[in-house]
Amino acid sequence: DTGVSQDPRHKITKRGQNVTFRCDPISEHNRLYWYRQTLGQGPEFLTYFQNEAQLEKSRLLSDRFSAERPKGSFSTLEIQRTEQGDSAMYLCASSLSSGQYNSPLHFGNGTRLTVT
Amino acid sequence: QKEVEQDPGPLSVPEGAIVSLNCTYSNSAFQYFMWYRQYSRKGPELLMYTYSSGNKEDGRFTAQVDKSSKYISLFIRDSQPSDSATYLCAFNTNAGKSTFGDGTTLTVKP
Repeated sequence: DTGVSQDPRHKITKRGQNVTFRCDPISEHNRLYWYRQTLGQGPEFLTYFQNEAQLEKSRLLSDRFSAERPKGSFSTLEIQRTEQGDSAMYLCASSLSSGQYNSPLHFGNGTRLTVT
Repeated sequence: QKEVEQDPGPLSVPEGAIVSLNCTYSNSAFQYFMWYRQYSRKGPELLMYTYSSGNKEDGRFTAQVDKSSKYISLFIRDSQPSDSATYLCAFNTNAGKSTFGDGTTLTVKP
């Protein structure tokens, strides 16, 4: 168990640029989640995958955000035409779901996005 | 109204004190109850996970769940400076997605 890995740790970009983040989940976990966290707030759900299928997207996730998990392993989160309001910590988490059982989420250390 | 309300803090205690952290929730579909610890610039780390009313103990940590009152607590005994962090309560339905409180920041002073 090497844990959830996120890359990069910190990204600084100019308003209007596109950015892409990568997440590698715990290998035996079939679910992968993206959350966003701003200062003083708890993590806020964005979207999640079971294997390669994207099962739910938050209403908060605008059309500028897209996530993929092409082979059911790693995932990418892309933000197009970034805005200053996108500045936040983007957290990835993974879990194991089997029948009625859902393990708790295990998080990576996040990608901190700063939009200037 | 938010589904989860967490005592906002911040909380500052002397080393060795007993700490109580609390959350209330309104969604009756929440079946699983977690506490996470988050150090600055790190991701949340799972501390406690339970699905039943009552107490669950793990070392210096005790999680308490009262489903009838929709109230959960985390108690830390003999608090240490290394416990200084933000503590997040979290809740799952059977679907597995977690809903979080906004966190309580704890400082334990030597």
